Amino acid sequence: DAEITQSPRHKITETGRQVTLACHQTWNHNNMFWYRQDLGHGLRLIHYSYGVQDTNKGEVSDGYSVSRSNTEDLPLTLESAASSQTSVYFCASRRDYLSEAFFGQGTRLTVV
Amino acid sequence: DAKTTQPNSMESNEEEPVHLPCNHSTISGTDYIHWYRQLPSQGPEYVIHGLTSNVNNRMASLAIAEDRKSSTLILHRATLRDAAVYYCILRDEGNTPLVFGKGTRLSVIA
Repeated sequence: DAEITQSPRHKITETGRQVTLACHQTWNHNNMFWYRQDLGHGLRLIHYSYGVQDTNKGEVSDGYSVSRSNTEDLPLTLESAASSQTSVYFCASRRDYLSEAFFGQGTRLTVV
Repeated sequence: DAKTTQPNSMESNEEEPVHLPCNHSTISGTDYIHWYRQLPSQGPEYVIHGLTSNVNNRMASLAIAEDRKSSTLILHRATLRDAAVYYCILRDEGNTPLVFGKGTRLSVIA
């Protein structure tokens, strides 16, 4: 079955380190998204991509970057991790603007 | 995406129907109404969507008001597994990302 997977599921890192969270989907979807969710808050959009070599900033993109070198993967990089980036990160993909979006299980990141 | 308004929380007894309301008074003629839910410690999952007519699927029903300014997600028999945050989201014709509000936290009592 097609799926979307995130790795790692949990990570603890130190302030100032570079961290990359992986997102891989097997549906061949062009649209991929990264969200963060803080305790008691809704999901906020970080970055998104509509295809290979395409990346766009979301509402909370500062301190994050993404790259899209193939259809299946959209890794999220924290250039220099900060405690304010402690959060749960969700990756999502969808075929087109009206089709349902599929979300990964999330990565819980703690920056100490 | 146009704005939606949902109650912060609702409570239901197990095996009873649940009606989750969503107001979207500024909806445009081409906006679709999507519902997602997020179970505890999981990513959101798609529930249902519609444009004008009422819609049914294996998970739920979506009732859309005639003027489209409001809609209601109906869970016909709530189970403990339906306890989640339910998000009502309007989608326009543009290829824009999903924008999540705070949603409605549904509690199901055994």
